[in-house]
Amino acid sequence: AQKITQTQPGMFVQEKEAVTLDCTYDTSDQSYGLFWYKQPSSGEMIFLIYQGSYDEQNATEGRYSLNFQKARKSANLVISASQLGDSAMYFCAMREGNSGGSNYKLTFGKGTLLTVNP
Amino acid sequence: DSGVTQTPKHLITATGQRVTLRCSPRSGDLSVYWYQQSLDQGLQFLIQYYNGEERAKGNILERFSAQQFPDLHSELNLSSLELGDSALYFCASSVSPSGINSPLHFGNGTRLTVT
Repeated sequence: AQKITQTQPGMFVQEKEAVTLDCTYDTSDQSYGLFWYKQPSSGEMIFLIYQGSYDEQNATEGRYSLNFQKARKSANLVISASQLGDSAMYFCAMREGNSGGSNYKLTFGKGTLLTVNP
Repeated sequence: DSGVTQTPKHLITATGQRVTLRCSPRSGDLSVYWYQQSLDQGLQFLIQYYNGEERAKGNILERFSAQQFPDLHSELNLSSLELGDSALYFCASSVSPSGINSPLHFGNGTRLTVT
């Protein structure tokens, strides 16, 4: 089973609108971290935002916020006031706790390609 | 700028050859990770080093090897290259080798093309 599922291969949004990118995850650990990364066409991977499994409040970083629904195992990224420069591939990733020794790495989803239209 | 430096940026080589990819982690980060990104496999974890020692292995082929040196820079060696090894190779670093709240900071990647 996939650990991280991003069901939207591509999304379109109008400039200045908000957009939600979906992410669901699968883990049996109680302790884990969820991350979002942005990969522009130039190729670099940029860390955007982090949410811990024990965090009670949704994480926010500027125009990025994470809609964390633990019971549903979802960690959707919300980008407010989209800009042309937000056009990129977005990856959801998870780092699990100590169970199974998988705490050493980030496991990534397949990504969502966001296009912001002027 | 993530603070992680990867060289070279691009590499074109022939099948059967051997190449070395280099990575300098962010200042203060002791843990280095290597990832491979290809269209069909997505982002795949290869290997992790922490303070010079191998910590974990992922989907790394036997033809590939890596090491982390005392100054904490790391090298990924790819040998007997095949067409399918063409990919974007990322190095990342983090403060903690295993903390769930410790993000990985990625370099800009090395794009390898095997012809």
